Amino acid sequence: GAGVSQTPSNKVTEKGKYVELRCDPISGHTALYWYRQSLGQGPEFLIYFQGTGAADDSGLPNDRFFAVRPEGSVSTLKIQRTERGDSAVYLCASSHAGFSYNEQFFGPGTRLTVL
Amino acid sequence: LAKTTQPISMDSYEGQEVNITCSHNNIATNDYITWYQQFPSQGPRFIIQGYKTKVTNEVASLFIPADRKSSTLSLPRVSLSDTAVYYCLVGDMNSGAGSYQLTFGKGTKLSVIP
Repeated sequence: GAGVSQTPSNKVTEKGKYVELRCDPISGHTALYWYRQSLGQGPEFLIYFQGTGAADDSGLPNDRFFAVRPEGSVSTLKIQRTERGDSAVYLCASSHAGFSYNEQFFGPGTRLTVL
Repeated sequence: LAKTTQPISMDSYEGQEVNITCSHNNIATNDYITWYQQFPSQGPRFIIQGYKTKVTNEVASLFIPADRKSSTLSLPRVSLSDTAVYYCLVGDMNSGAGSYQLTFGKGTKLSVIP
C-alpha cells in the first residue's frame, strides 16, 4: 500500500525566500507530524496535527514556520524568510488517531538547502 | 520525557548477532520503549516496542530487565542491509498524556562489515 509521500524530494532556495513543503499521509491516518533532521542528529519534533487542528506546535522554532492541514489529510509546512540555518531534511510522519507513542510511519523527507 | 543514552556507533561482521543497549534511568511507570531504524536518505522506520521482559518479532528482539532502566535491541545474524542508525525512544503510551511527539537522540550507527 501507499506510504507517506513528501514533495519535493529536494528544494534549493535562496536566503529570504518563502518555501512550502508538502506531505501526503497514509490514507485514514488522522495524526500527522512534522520533524526536522540536521546532519548527524536524530529527527526533531516540530508540530503535530490531530485532524485539521494543530494539537501541539511546541517544536516550531519561531514564527517564520507555519503548518496547515485544512482538510485533515494533506499538510503543508511553510517557511517564510528562509535562513541558512533552516537547511535540513524535513520529515513528515502519520499514525492512527488516539495513541501517543504509537507507531509512526515516516516519509522519505524533503531536503531543504538554503543558499 | 525520559532521557536515553546509547552508544554512538558499533561495528559488526555479517552473520553475527548484534546487541545495542540503551540506558533510560528515569523511565516512568507509563513509559514504553520503542526502537526505530533509519537508513540513509530515508525516514525512520518502527522496529519494535515493549514495556517489560522480552518482545520478539520477525525483525528483532527487545530485552527489558525488571527495573526497566535499560533495554537491549538484539538483531540476529545481521547482513550488510542492516547498516543503519538505530534509535531508542522512551515515552508514554497513554493517549491522554498530551504529548505525541517522538524524542530522538543521536542514535547508534551500526556498520555491518562483510
